[in-house]
Amino acid sequence: EDQVTQSPEALRLQEGESSSLNCSYTVSGLRGLFWYRQDPGKGPEFLFTLYSAGEEKEKERLKATLTKKESFLHITAPKPEDSATYLCAVRVLGWGKFQFGAGTQVVVTP
Amino acid sequence: EAQVTQNPRYLITVTGKKLTVTCSQNMNHEYMSWYRQDPGLGLRQIYYSMNVEVTDKGDVPEGYKVSRKEKRNFPLILESPSPNQTSLYFCASSIGRGWETQYFGPGTRLLVL
Repeated sequence: EDQVTQSPEALRLQEGESSSLNCSYTVSGLRGLFWYRQDPGKGPEFLFTLYSAGEEKEKERLKATLTKKESFLHITAPKPEDSATYLCAVRVLGWGKFQFGAGTQVVVTP
Repeated sequence: EAQVTQNPRYLITVTGKKLTVTCSQNMNHEYMSWYRQDPGLGLRQIYYSMNVEVTDKGDVPEGYKVSRKEKRNFPLILESPSPNQTSLYFCASSIGRGWETQYFGPGTRLLVL
């Protein structure tokens, strides 16, 4: 059975304190791994897509990496505006089926 | 402005009373999808659609129906809502086969009494 697990469930950081979020997956036929950011009361906002092991993508203070079993979202020198829930999702075999993890809630304090 | 809109944003209803949540996108996207989000469970896919009249089940389709008669619209129908369908619902759309960028709507919060 396809499964996506995110850890930790919640993360509290001081401004400037870098950290990493983990997304481990067990799927049959990965067709892409996606990271989203979700602010309270809003829909998820797309951040990155990764397709193959070794791939990395960066955007401002965020960097996503992918191995054969997991992905990491690194937050470098976070600011309070990086506070959000970060969601990981995988697209599995088939043309439009997705599995999401439960998310990691990140709070960055000044 | 490119966007996905959902209506209503909030809905309180009673068990068994049929309802429809509308979803519309103005980006000419082929692919659309419905999700529900529950605490601790994350987003779970209900149905998705590749184009007009082409739909398929996600992980939790029971109790839901969808219809894709026009490219821009993808309504979610609950024919006989039950309390376990109380949830936050999101519609999303994407331009290409790779579903590279899914654009999500603002969400519809549904309470079934």
